[in-house]
Amino acid sequence: QKEVEQDPGPLSVPEGAIVSLNCTYSNSAFQYFMWYRQYSRKGPELLMYTYSSGNKEDGRFTAQVDKSSKYISLFIRDSQPSDSATYLCAMSGDKIIFGKGTRLHILP
Amino acid sequence: KAGVTQTPRYLIKTRGQQVTLSCSPISGHRSVSWYQQTPGQGLQFLFEYFSETQRNKGNFPGRFSGRQFSNSRSEMNVSTLELGDSALYLCASSLAGTNYEQYFGPGTRLTVT
Repeated sequence: QKEVEQDPGPLSVPEGAIVSLNCTYSNSAFQYFMWYRQYSRKGPELLMYTYSSGNKEDGRFTAQVDKSSKYISLFIRDSQPSDSATYLCAMSGDKIIFGKGTRLHILP
Repeated sequence: KAGVTQTPRYLIKTRGQQVTLSCSPISGHRSVSWYQQTPGQGLQFLFEYFSETQRNKGNFPGRFSGRQFSNSRSEMNVSTLELGDSALYLCASSLAGTNYEQYFGPGTRLTVT
């Protein structure tokens, strides 16, 4: 079983829709959960991180962590074409593991 | 505040050669981590340096090495290049080694022919 699993997509949604991205993991030692956005030919950009379980909101982005289910989500409200990118989840404890990323396309 | 910078941005090398990549972290950040990103394996951790000491190391062969200088700038070296080393090499810095809050540079695209 892989430590972190993330659907590669691509995921195509119309502009203005709510986007849901998610990852599952197997290592219960992970304590911090991160989401990165990566545009083509750029480095990953940290969107937000969450400690342990719960929700965190930052503008149009909401991160959710459910440690009991080993499941994390990122919601994007009012999606824009500029949100088109690859979204990487990551988890850390004594080590850091990244998902392989979900490619997201927002259709104008 | 300037972001993480990496040089060179693109590099083409021949199998068997060696290469050195450079990373300048955000001012004040003392930790630098290196990652390899490929389409097949995704983003994989290479090693982390904090105050000139290697603190963590990923599961890569000894051909991959690094160092950090007193000004926190870091270099990574790959010796005896193989075709499979073609990848985007990313450097990330953090204030005090907090791997949940890292800031990435634009990467160096290495092509091995």
